[in-house]
Amino acid sequence: NAGVTQTPKFRVLKTGQSMTLLCAQDMNHEYMYWYRQDPGMGLRLIHYSVGEGTTAKGEVPDGYNVSRLKKQNFLLGLESAAPSQTSVYFCASSYSGQGSYEQYFGPGTRLTVT
Amino acid sequence: GEDVEQSLFLSVREGDSSVINCTYTDSSSTYLYWYKQEPGAGLQLLTYIFSNMDMKQDQRLTVLLNKKDKHLSLRIADTQTGDSAIYFCAEMRYSSASKIIFGSGTRLSIRP
Repeated sequence: NAGVTQTPKFRVLKTGQSMTLLCAQDMNHEYMYWYRQDPGMGLRLIHYSVGEGTTAKGEVPDGYNVSRLKKQNFLLGLESAAPSQTSVYFCASSYSGQGSYEQYFGPGTRLTVT
Repeated sequence: GEDVEQSLFLSVREGDSSVINCTYTDSSSTYLYWYKQEPGAGLQLLTYIFSNMDMKQDQRLTVLLNKKDKHLSLRIADTQTGDSAIYFCAEMRYSSASKIIFGSGTRLSIRP
């Protein structure tokens, strides 16, 4: 099992450009999440999904959109990148049934917006 | 992550015990977690505790939960250089896996 994978690993964008970050998981998890990590601020939830075809806003959704067309994939889009979106982005997934609801994280995407 | 608070840094001598503390705000939280993040990597679950427990031990790791004070701690015995990482406390609210709130992380550094 590859677990949770993210592409790309690094990206530099100019202000106003758009891009899509891809997250894929092969664990048949229902729940998927996008976080951003900034120094001293921990992880902040951008959007999440509790199943194929459903998405919901997290703590900091502005400037981002997401889609979950397939259960194994969760896409994060930036329509018009801003320097404030410079961050490390982590995708995670978790099982929705009984258990500890452990989240499995991808390796992250480091995004710089100039 | 502002509702889950941790100190940002901790420095410990190799071989000593490390204690990382966390306070959370929601008394209805059901699961509390400790995640570890090594440089350049994502987070990995270290251990978790269910809210009806006071303590959980797993090899060198001991988790203590004080529900009255909403205080969670992680003790790492015999701290090694490989324990250098950022440690995140997290709480799950309302029995919903979509409402896991992370703290800002504590960077643990080990000195010889």
